[in-house]
Amino acid sequence: LAKTTQPISMDSYEGQEVNITCSHNNIATNDYITWYQQFPSQGPRFIIQGYKTKVTNEVASLFIPADRKSSTLSLPRVSLSDTAVYYCLVGDRGTGGFKTIFGAGTRLFVKA
Amino acid sequence: NAGVTQTPKFRVLKTGQSMTLLCAQDMNHEYMYWYRQDPGMGLRLIHYSVGEGTTAKGEVPDGYNVSRLKKQNFLLGLESAAPSQTSVYFCASSSRQGGGYTFGSGTRLTVV
Repeated sequence: LAKTTQPISMDSYEGQEVNITCSHNNIATNDYITWYQQFPSQGPRFIIQGYKTKVTNEVASLFIPADRKSSTLSLPRVSLSDTAVYYCLVGDRGTGGFKTIFGAGTRLFVKA
Repeated sequence: NAGVTQTPKFRVLKTGQSMTLLCAQDMNHEYMYWYRQDPGMGLRLIHYSVGEGTTAKGEVPDGYNVSRLKKQNFLLGLESAAPSQTSVYFCASSSRQGGGYTFGSGTRLTVV
């Protein structure tokens, strides 16, 4: 089971681009990388999932280098409403790993 | 499209009482999960199910039981509640084809 390491917290200002990096040195060949966002008193919400290179959707981009031992979630032009906890998970595409450990995630604070 | 629905949203139990939390999903997902989240911490997997009629233990299964008699429902039971089980409980589901987890809005349980 691939373990992930993320920064505990990050600060940013409105309008800036935020990059959150996750390390997963033991990622397996079949593992995907998935990021979630969680607001207080809500369940985590799926943001983006990728296997290699770059994936982009309407809310974020995910950059994965060739060795796949890390990944970077990029949030363009953040707003106050992006203040949340962000989790990086590595595992099977459908499950994220049946014993996925979410960890403490990265607490992003966006300031005005 | 409701996604994942959890009932109840809030509950207060006395030590030793029992209760069942209900999770229902309408996305025809194969996999379902129960997590607990304590203040300031990530999510910990209690039990999970890979299909109707199957269940398995996660990271913190003690004191809980589960059942999945129908594909769309996943029940979490507390036979004899303890104060240590005070937490927010999240149910999630996912598809074998990917797309990550879809979470419910959570059940806030207090055991006094």
